Amino acid sequence: DTEVTQTPKHLVMGMTNKKSLKCEQHMGHRAMYWYKQKAKKPPELMFVYSYEKLSINESVPSRFSPECPNSSLLNLHLHALQPEDSALYLCASSQGDRYGGYTFGSGTRLTVV
Amino acid sequence: AQTVTQSQPEMSVQEAETVTLSCTYDTSESNYYLFWYKQPPSRQMILVIRQEAYKQQNATENRFSVNFQKAAKSFSLKISDSQLGDTAMYFCAFMPLYGGATNKLIFGTGTLLAVQP
Repeated sequence: DTEVTQTPKHLVMGMTNKKSLKCEQHMGHRAMYWYKQKAKKPPELMFVYSYEKLSINESVPSRFSPECPNSSLLNLHLHALQPEDSALYLCASSQGDRYGGYTFGSGTRLTVV
Repeated sequence: AQTVTQSQPEMSVQEAETVTLSCTYDTSESNYYLFWYKQPPSRQMILVIRQEAYKQQNATENRFSVNFQKAAKSFSLKISDSQLGDTAMYFCAFMPLYGGATNKLIFGTGTLLAVQP
């Protein structure tokens, strides 16, 4: 299995809703990442988990809450989002070693209404 | 701080022709990786090619090759025999060699490539 699987593929939520994005990989990668991507822009790093511990939080608002229950799973819990949070949310994983390179999932297209 | 610059926001090429996408970067690191990622309308970010800075030989992957000029901090992507499936946004990216999982993948602003039939 050489994939990163993200669910759901599309999500529409109201500003008062609570939802979660899920990311899963079975490549034995020890590092997992959340990125936010606006249309025609490069991805922006949000969070990095290394060995299931949060190692980087790029000053993301608290309405985004990451969770890494185990080495294969990464969640992003969403609460009280704003319309400007509408974007493509990409998950990625890597071996976290000198060989570099990420494997990306196909993303969740989030629309906040 | 490292930066990656892609000066061509959009490009167009005829099917079967060759196109070159430009990328320059700025860093004080001596050891690092450079990548080209492709993002088609399907959204998934796909690794096209990778270059280790300590290797002088330019990387190639089938129809894709790079021209890596370390002194000039330039890393261009050449696509030969362009195909309709090559239509996508192409991102150049930089990563320091050391630092493990906390290494950040730093992206350029992207080049939207359209392959015309």
